[in-house]
Amino acid sequence: KQEVTQIPAALSVPEGENLVLNCSFTDSAIYNLQWFRQDPGKGLTSLLLIQSSQREQTSGRLNASLDKSSGRSTLYIAASQPGDSATYLCAVLSNTGKLIFGQGTTLQVKP
Amino acid sequence: GAGVSQSPRYKVAKRGQDVALRCDPISGHVSLFWYQQALGQGPEFLTYFQNEAQLDKSGLPSDRFFAERPEGSVSTLKIQRTQQEDSAVYLCASSPSARPGTGELFFGEGSRLTVL
Repeated sequence: KQEVTQIPAALSVPEGENLVLNCSFTDSAIYNLQWFRQDPGKGLTSLLLIQSSQREQTSGRLNASLDKSSGRSTLYIAASQPGDSATYLCAVLSNTGKLIFGQGTTLQVKP
Repeated sequence: GAGVSQSPRYKVAKRGQDVALRCDPISGHVSLFWYQQALGQGPEFLTYFQNEAQLDKSGLPSDRFFAERPEGSVSTLKIQRTQQEDSAVYLCASSPSARPGTGELFFGEGSRLTVL
């Protein structure tokens, strides 16, 4: 059974820092991996999608990497801003078509 | 509409009541998913539709949960005889792709259910 784990569960950093969020998954048979952002009381916003054949994706200050063989992904956020404060969720798309989510990392960026 | 729309956004029910949650996916999207998100947890899969066909309902926690998408567009998640453990945010997502792995999922803002 696919399990997705995110570390750390919570993170607080001063504005301007670069930071890395970690995601690991137990079954490497995935179609893709997505990183989502969730603001309090809101739905999920897709940030980056990495297909299983890809190693990384970049969007602005965000860079996500995927190492399928080791079952790991990282989300790198450069020059963090208070507006980046949110919960970040990692999810893998299994071969059954289901997205399996981690529990999320709650990020607070202090001005 | 431009995105996935869910209603109601907030629902308070007394234990034992039936509730119905609605999802309007992005127009033309083939796939529709329901997820349940408990407080402080990641979303958990409930069920999946491809057009009007419910292809996977393995995540529905009990036979009190029922979902339908009769015309392949709007979907309704119904919970009968609600229990306190049903309290959660119910998220709907749609995708233009019928094949897993080939399309992004777009999520609605969710329906927050509180069972007293």
